[in-house]
Amino acid sequence: GAVVSQHPSRVICKSGTSVKIECRSLDFQATTMFWYRQFPKQSLMLMATSNEGSKATYEQGVEKDKFLINHASLTLSTLTVTSAHPEDSSFYICSADRTGVDEQFFGPGTRLTVL
Amino acid sequence: DAKTTQPPSMDCAEGRAANLPCNHSTISGNEYVYWYRQIHSQGPQYIIHGLKNNETNEMASLIITEDRKSSTLILPHATLRDTAVYYCIVSSGGGADGLTFGKGTHLIIQP
Repeated sequence: GAVVSQHPSRVICKSGTSVKIECRSLDFQATTMFWYRQFPKQSLMLMATSNEGSKATYEQGVEKDKFLINHASLTLSTLTVTSAHPEDSSFYICSADRTGVDEQFFGPGTRLTVL
Repeated sequence: DAKTTQPPSMDCAEGRAANLPCNHSTISGNEYVYWYRQIHSQGPQYIIHGLKNNETNEMASLIITEDRKSSTLILPHATLRDTAVYYCIVSSGGGADGLTFGKGTHLIIQP
């Protein structure tokens, strides 16, 4: 099966710093990747769609200048949380679309804690 | 807003069939019904999907009503490892569209 990894799995940072999260498709190429956020005891919320070689598409209410997305290759998308604050503490999950397969493949998630 | 409605929680005895209902009365003709599950603190896992016909794979069966306004996910022999939040999602994009997750059903398998 298709595998998606995320790095790091867990990160703790100070308020005001920036944090980069990587999402990799390990055994397939992904033209499109997605970033979701999940607060405790809540469901996943789509943040943005990441397209290889073009700008990401952000969902309403998600600040594109705060959550920078780069999809520079067919196997890697990165999410950078800039000037992180405690309210950005959350579980960030990516997923990837594999051409010809009617499902999304999710990464294991990254737990971000901002102190 | 999510286009599906699911019970917030369900219990099922280990070894029994778990039947998880989902209402999607506003589903469009080109939308599929997808089921994913999320075990605590992990990324979601695909289970099954269907358009009109009932579907079965190694994990589960999906029963879709004739009017397509509701469906049921069946785990034939539930085990403790099936304890998770199960999400029913309607989508026309296959893997190519971002998914709208509702609140899901927290299925607890009891020993």
